[in-house]
This record gives sequence, structure tokens and C-alpha cells, in this order.
Amino acid sequence: GAGVSQSPSNKVTEKGKDVELRCDPISGHTALYWYRQSLGQGLEFLIYFQGNSAPDKSGLPSDRFSAERTGGSVSTLTIQRTQQEDSAVYLCASLLAGGPYNEQFFGPGTRLTVL
Amino acid sequence: KNQVEQSPQSLIILEGKNCTLQCNYTVSPFSNLRWYKQDTGRGPVSLTIMTFSENTKSNGRYTATLDADTKQSSLHITASQLSDSASYICVVNLSGGYNKLIFGAGTRLAVHP
Repeated sequence: GAGVSQSPSNKVTEKGKDVELRCDPISGHTALYWYRQSLGQGLEFLIYFQGNSAPDKSGLPSDRFSAERTGGSVSTLTIQRTQQEDSAVYLCASLLAGGPYNEQFFGPGTRLTVL
Repeated sequence: KNQVEQSPQSLIILEGKNCTLQCNYTVSPFSNLRWYKQDTGRGPVSLTIMTFSENTKSNGRYTATLDADTKQSSLHITASQLSDSASYICVVNLSGGYNKLIFGAGTRLAVHP
């Protein structure tokens, strides 16, 4: 596709369940980022991938959160034993490094609601 | 601490009017500053990107300014349209490393007919 895509667009789950959120970056983009946007808050960095490696996962809020990337393309963010405070919009962005700007292109996000 | 502060938090203007949104940052080392527009339910879309050596950048009716000395930026919207209703996010890119972005909380703009 032409842009970053994410699925599902909306996810409602019960407290304690596990969820998987998927990100398909722009083809050829080597860097991939996950962010969380809580209501009324700025985007919060979660994890950065370069290829399949995650040099910086310092933003993951707890060990219930994990992410992987395979084939230098698709990434999955997994939240185990979800809590109500995990409710937020999870955004993915990809980047093709080079030039002075290194622009990140964002997907539409997955809105997660934990009941 | 690296922070990006935006004001106002929200703004209502009438269609056709101009407005200016403010951004102050305490981010170092600084690479570039971006303004994004985020429509409800969508991901942020880049409006302008400026390096520290650029003072102004325009994109249609959007004009961003940057004062790297005072660490302030503004986004001016001219002749607002209903479709300008969105959140406008100021983002600073840390220099070096892997393009880590520091986000402001955004200004929510509502344009009324």
C-alpha cells in the first residue's frame, strides 16, 4: 500500500485478556516506531525498530508490553493481561532514513478500549 | 528534561479568520521541528519541517516560524476553513541517534461556520 496501515482500527477487550496490534509500514522503510496516545495527552514513545532489531524499547511501560518485527516489515505490539489504563490509541510510524528531515509517516492507529 | 509545551490547549475561531498556535521547547540536542495535523481518528500528518537554520516554512495556508535562540515556534493558519478543525501537534526531533521525537500535547482547533 501507499501508506502505513494498522489493524484492527478498533479493539475492545476485557481486562486481563491479551491483545495483538499489527503495523504494516511503508514498503522499504527500515525504521519503525510504536507510540501510545492517551486521551488529551501527547504521543508517548514505546519502542523503535531498525530492521528486525529493537535498539530502544525504553518506552514500553511494563513487561506486559512486547513487540516484534519480522522480515524487516510487519510489526506486532502485544499487550498481555490488559488493564484499563492500557486504553489508548496505539500509533505506528515508519521512516526511510536520509536527508535533513528523516520524516516519520504515521498509520491511522488502533484504538484500544479495555473494559 | 526534554519537553514541548503548546498553547493554547484549545481554540475556537470562525471560518475565514486567521489564528496562531504557539510552541515552546526545551529539547537538546535539536535536529528539527515539525508541525503535524491530526484529524480525529487519524494518524498525524506532517505540515512543515524546519531545521535549526530555517526561520520560516510555508505549506499553503499554513506558515510555521522558528526562533532557535528563544526555542519558540509558531504555526499561523490563514483564512481558516472548516476542514482545518483538528489537533495541531508540535514535535521536536532529537539530534543524533534514531530520530527520537518529542511531542507536544497539541492544540485542538475548532473552526465554526
